[in-house]
Amino acid sequence: QQQVKQSPQSLIVQKGGISIINCAYENTAFDYFPWYQQFPGKGPALLIAIRPDVSEKKEGRFTISFNKSAKQFSLHIMDSQPGDSATYFCAARGSARQLTFGSGTQLTVLP
Amino acid sequence: SAVISQKPSRDICQRGTSLTIQCQVDSQVTMMFWYRQQPGQSLTLIATANQGSEATYESGFVIDKFPISRPNLTFSTLTVSNMSPEDSSIYLCSVAPGLTGNTIYFGEGSWLTVV
Repeated sequence: QQQVKQSPQSLIVQKGGISIINCAYENTAFDYFPWYQQFPGKGPALLIAIRPDVSEKKEGRFTISFNKSAKQFSLHIMDSQPGDSATYFCAARGSARQLTFGSGTQLTVLP
Repeated sequence: SAVISQKPSRDICQRGTSLTIQCQVDSQVTMMFWYRQQPGQSLTLIATANQGSEATYESGFVIDKFPISRPNLTFSTLTVSNMSPEDSSIYLCSVAPGLTGNTIYFGEGSWLTVV
């Protein structure tokens, strides 16, 4: 599987702050880039996703920024809340609909 | 959307035994995937299990160790054979419903501990 690199590994943000998680990919054949949120003891839940022909997508407090030329994309969480504390995974979808995941970011939002 | 149910949700298994994990989806889906998430790690694709064809395994995963069945469009099983402590992981079923398969959903996972 082609690699998807994710950073940072962990992130601590104050309540109300902005959380930013970055991912970079290598395979230009990837055609869909979702972000998943995973709470302890739960399966990953789809948060937001973007196609490579779009540079930004916003859903509520969550925004994906996509830079096709740089092969990078990022998740921005505005007005971060303690309830956002979870592990976040970026992913990239291949031609067979399989996902390649980043290594994950453990986000802690302090009250 | 799709609702995915996995059984068992959690189990403690003896070394050398095998366990079959079931995945039931509330709608018919062509594309189904099995992932593994080792403790504190990311998700790794084990195999793609599309109905009507043999499962396709990723590098590092073999059918003898992880046999998969896909008898219909709503159900699949993954067996973890001859388990060792290194197999202690979360095993996740995933589906890509709809014509485009753009949205990929995951079950809650089956948490296996091998002792």
